[in-house]
Amino acid sequence: AQSVAQPEDQVNVAEGNPLTVKCTYSVSGNPYLFWYVQYPNRGLQFLLKYITGDNLVKGSYGFEAEFNKSQTSFHLKKPSALVSDSALYFCAVLTGANNLFFGTGTRLTVIP
Amino acid sequence: NAGVTQTPKFQVLKTGQSMTLQCAQDMNHEYMSWYRQDPGMGLRLIHYSVGAGITDQGEVPNGYNVSRSTTEDFPLRLLSAAPSQTSVYFCATAIGPPGEQYFGPGTRLTVT
Repeated sequence: AQSVAQPEDQVNVAEGNPLTVKCTYSVSGNPYLFWYVQYPNRGLQFLLKYITGDNLVKGSYGFEAEFNKSQTSFHLKKPSALVSDSALYFCAVLTGANNLFFGTGTRLTVIP
Repeated sequence: NAGVTQTPKFQVLKTGQSMTLQCAQDMNHEYMSWYRQDPGMGLRLIHYSVGAGITDQGEVPNGYNVSRSTTEDFPLRLLSAAPSQTSVYFCATAIGPPGEQYFGPGTRLTVT
C-alpha cells in the first residue's frame, strides 16, 4: 500500500531562516509525491509535485522539494521563511488514478 | 468562475439525523472526491467519482453515501449521523495532471 509519513507535528523557524518540513514515503513502484498547504479556515492548495526527472522540484511561493530515493524522503524546503508561510503543510502520494493518501500534516510557524 | 463551492459552511446535527453536504464545480472536470479532515489524522478519502454515473469508495466510506448524476455536482449524504462523523469535510476536483486537485472551502460538521 502507498503511504506517507510526516514525523513532525510542529515546526518553528525564525523569519529569514531556511525551513524544512519532512516527509517520508512507502510505495511500491515509482512514487508520485505532492505537497499541499492549508491556510487557516481554507481548503488545501497544491504547491508542487514529483513525478520523475530532477530530484529537486520547484513550486509555488518559492518552495521546493527534494526527492531522495535512497532515504525514501520528499522534504519541503524554502531558503528564507516568511511570516506568511505559517500554515499547515501536507505531504501526499498518489494511490490510484487520481486518489491521494495524505500525511497527518505539519504545522509551520514562522516567528517574526 | 467559482471553482469548487460547498454548502453549508457550518452545520450542527443531532445523532441520528440525516443531511446532505453539497459540492459543485464549474470547471467541467470529470474527477471529484470527498475527504474528511480530523486533527492528527490528516485528510482521508471518503468517496470519489471519475465521471457522471460512476462512484467508488475511498478509505473511510462507512456511514456516507454519494451519487453523481451530473458532472457539476457531487453531494455527500449522511444517512444517520453519529458523533464520530464530527469533522471538516472537503470536496475536491482534479484540475489536470493526476494528483493536482482543487479543494473547496470545506464544511464544518458537528454531531451532538
